[in-house]
Amino acid sequence: TQLLEQSPQFLSIQEGENLTVYCNSSSVFSSLQWYRQEPGEGPVLLVTVVTGGEVKKLKRLTFQFGDARKDSSLHITAAQPGDTGLYLCAGVERAGNMLTFGGGTRLMVKP
Amino acid sequence: DAGITQSPRHKVTETGTPVTLRCHQTENHRYMYWYRQDPGHGLRLIHYSYGVKDTDKGEVSDGYSVSRSKTEDFLLTLESATSSQTSVYFCAISESRRLQGAWTEAFFGQGTRLTVV
Repeated sequence: TQLLEQSPQFLSIQEGENLTVYCNSSSVFSSLQWYRQEPGEGPVLLVTVVTGGEVKKLKRLTFQFGDARKDSSLHITAAQPGDTGLYLCAGVERAGNMLTFGGGTRLMVKP
Repeated sequence: DAGITQSPRHKVTETGTPVTLRCHQTENHRYMYWYRQDPGHGLRLIHYSYGVKDTDKGEVSDGYSVSRSKTEDFLLTLESATSSQTSVYFCAISESRRLQGAWTEAFFGQGTRLTVV
């Protein structure tokens, strides 16, 4: 069992649809990060959420950190084919040192 | 782009042989990490370093060792490669442990594809 559980693992949708990806844990995190990875490349940071309940927006992407700082969600509005990729959440436990990742959500947006 | 170079980018090796992967950074970041990426598992932490000669195990450290003798270099060694170690290996760097309560961004190399036959 991974420290950070992501769901769903795979998501295939049509252009224009909305979607939500979840990142859950039983541990408390000082912050959570979301990364996006494209084939053949390393992950690239999208956002860091720090405060419980925090909401951050990045164009059509909305990120939320749970009130208890144990979970986070990523919502994409009106998905575009360019949103296709692997989305990863990552975090460090409150008293920890290791940056650990969830299993990822592979998103495919069809035109 | 952050200055991270992984070498080699691709390697095929035989079971039982030793293999060393190198990660080199030009950013002077304190933290360096080695991850492996396999289908369905996201990124799993192998080992990490929080300073020169300061390293610690991650969640999948068995069969791997690391060394960091200089700030800029972090080496990952497979003492005796096995087929289960066939994977894509990523190195990442991070500037500091916490900045205003948050972890700073981790920058990744382009990965090393290792095949053990």
